[in-house]
Amino acid sequence: QQQVRQSPQSLTVWEGETAILNCSYEDSTFDYFPWYHQFPGESPALLIAIRPVSNKKEDGRFTIFFNKREKKFSLHIADSQPGDSATYFCAARRGSNAKLTFGKGTKLSVKS
Amino acid sequence: EAAVTQSPRSKVAVTGGKVTLSCHQTNNHDYMYWYRQDTGHGLRLIHYSYVADSTEKGDIPDGYKASRPSQENFSLILELASLSQTAVYFCASSDWLGGLSYEQYFGPGTRLTVL
Repeated sequence: QQQVRQSPQSLTVWEGETAILNCSYEDSTFDYFPWYHQFPGESPALLIAIRPVSNKKEDGRFTIFFNKREKKFSLHIADSQPGDSATYFCAARRGSNAKLTFGKGTKLSVKS
Repeated sequence: EAAVTQSPRSKVAVTGGKVTLSCHQTNNHDYMYWYRQDTGHGLRLIHYSYVADSTEKGDIPDGYKASRPSQENFSLILELASLSQTAVYFCASSDWLGGLSYEQYFGPGTRLTVL
């Protein structure tokens, strides 16, 4: 049972465009939603995270939009740069449980 | 910044052999985790631990054991390695403050090939 679904599996955008990566979840008790990125040959690292007390979280060019009613959240990367090319994983965590459930990832390629 | 190291960085094992992957963290984090990464499957949690001498099963624990002899060290043990266990294995750690766990810091990974 996949509790966090991620789409698309791969995405190609041109430099300067906004990349949109999507995730959905099933468990309504999830209350923390981070995005990790992973560059080729490296380990995952936290990019940005949101708690559902708000429906938007911004950090520079990166924005999470959260829709609690539809159980969906998305990562928008504005003004995409070739250096943003990586695999992006969304995840979710339930309350005081330290376990993260990851999506399968979106491989983003930014072409110049 | 959290420092998580893994050894070995790569390993070739034979089917049916025993494999031990080691992880060490130096930032006094309570939680440690073992994940495997396979193309198309993302990151899947194998075992985790929140205190020394105690481990918990993750989402895919079958075929794996874990050991947490100290706060700093966490090992993943494959008693009888199988071809299907070929993957990249990541160790991670996180803090635990007031009932909220924070960012997970990942080690560099171990590439395991079982032949």
